[in-house]
Amino acid sequence: DTEVTQTPKHLVMGMTNKKSLKCEQHMGHRAMYWYKQKAKKPPELMFVYSYEKLSINESVPSRFSPECPNSSLLNLHLHALQPEDSALYLCASSRQTGAVQPQHFGDGTRLSIL
Amino acid sequence: AQKVTQAQTEISVVEKEDVTLDCVYETRDTTYYLFWYKQPPSGELVFLIRRNSFDEQNEISGRYSWNFQKSTSSFNFTITASQVVDSAVYFCALSEAGSGGGSNYKLTFGKGTLLTVNP
Repeated sequence: DTEVTQTPKHLVMGMTNKKSLKCEQHMGHRAMYWYKQKAKKPPELMFVYSYEKLSINESVPSRFSPECPNSSLLNLHLHALQPEDSALYLCASSRQTGAVQPQHFGDGTRLSIL
Repeated sequence: AQKVTQAQTEISVVEKEDVTLDCVYETRDTTYYLFWYKQPPSGELVFLIRRNSFDEQNEISGRYSWNFQKSTSSFNFTITASQVVDSAVYFCALSEAGSGGGSNYKLTFGKGTLLTVNP
């Protein structure tokens, strides 16, 4: 079983809906990440949180809004998404940010935009 | 700029065959880290191994082995006696330490190799 838990596993939403993806880890990691992965492609980094503060935003559209309420939780709020946003959204965590730290991933949320 | 190339898009083998997944990387840093991840159909990326640029020792873990060669900028992954459960997409990834003493966050993935092990 993965040590990074993501909910929901699947989400179908319309373009006008507002929903949130949730990620939780209890490994004491202080860095958390959101990735987007399209079919047959590698993951693409979206956001990085370090010690509950947003440190990196990879030019992600504002319809994606991350939030880190505490060191164990990471949310991704979704609003007014487009069909091209349909993808697998992966959360990851690592002990800290830094090149040496392996990232541990969750199972992901498969998002479909109607 | 860092780059990872996995030239094999798909590989299909029969159970018990050995299979090698190739990974070639580019970096200007002298300090960097290489990773392999496995992504089964369930979606989760499973961390398999990390190697730093100063350690060229090959590593074996059960049926898995890794061959790191700085001279050819390669970090290849071999599965011995493959099993159906090994079927997955395998990603090679690179992270550069950069000038900030290890504060670089970016993990650059190759495009992945889809391995299918048939019974």
